Amino acid sequence: DAKTTQPTSMDCAEGRAANLPCNHSTISGNEYVYWYRQIHSQGPQYIIHGLKNNETNEMASLIITEDRKSSTLILPHATLRDTAVYYCIVRVVQTQGGSEKLVFGKGTKLTVNP
Amino acid sequence: NAGVMQNPRHLVRRRGQEARLRCSPMKGHSHVYWYRQLPEEGLKFMVYLQKENIIDESGMPKERFSAEFPKEGPSILRIQQVVRGDSAAYFCASSPFVAGFSGNTIYFGEGSWLTVV
Repeated sequence: DAKTTQPTSMDCAEGRAANLPCNHSTISGNEYVYWYRQIHSQGPQYIIHGLKNNETNEMASLIITEDRKSSTLILPHATLRDTAVYYCIVRVVQTQGGSEKLVFGKGTKLTVNP
Repeated sequence: NAGVMQNPRHLVRRRGQEARLRCSPMKGHSHVYWYRQLPEEGLKFMVYLQKENIIDESGMPKERFSAEFPKEGPSILRIQQVVRGDSAAYFCASSPFVAGFSGNTIYFGEGSWLTVV
């Protein structure tokens, strides 16, 4: 089961910042938070990931709370092409067997409106 | 750099036939994941492999499905005796591996769409 909870849907005006929240209260100390998005009929697109420090790249910023129980993905200037399902994922690490995998939840359907 | 390459992109099979889906990971990536996405649903983990070894197949159906990642060549997801319920998008992802580090970036391919008629 996914270790994250996200709102089912959100709307954002074009040109404004989109702030997508995610709760991961049961995250373990060595588990990273990943964000992907999926535009209809395409493969999941990697956006950003982090452990405990805030991260920024050319696509987005990731803000992780100090207790690591929640995070926020920020798209600074949303465009119509950012309309997609956004997945917040905790990468599950199993010490026995060495398995590390992304367990997807239902994600947030972000609609950017003109 | 080429991304994760999957083929075929679209595959139609009749019930009872076999489907073989191939995945070439990104250059330098030694680990491969397979996911399945049924229509209007999220991605479900199937299997996690490194070359010549299955690390985690906890999401793989016990019958008819198998996966391999040989020393040379792409990873293969094989579905025998396909049924209508196997119709889905199958996504492959790859990552590099560094022992003790779980923060590698995982990249997905564009998927293979299987339709069983």
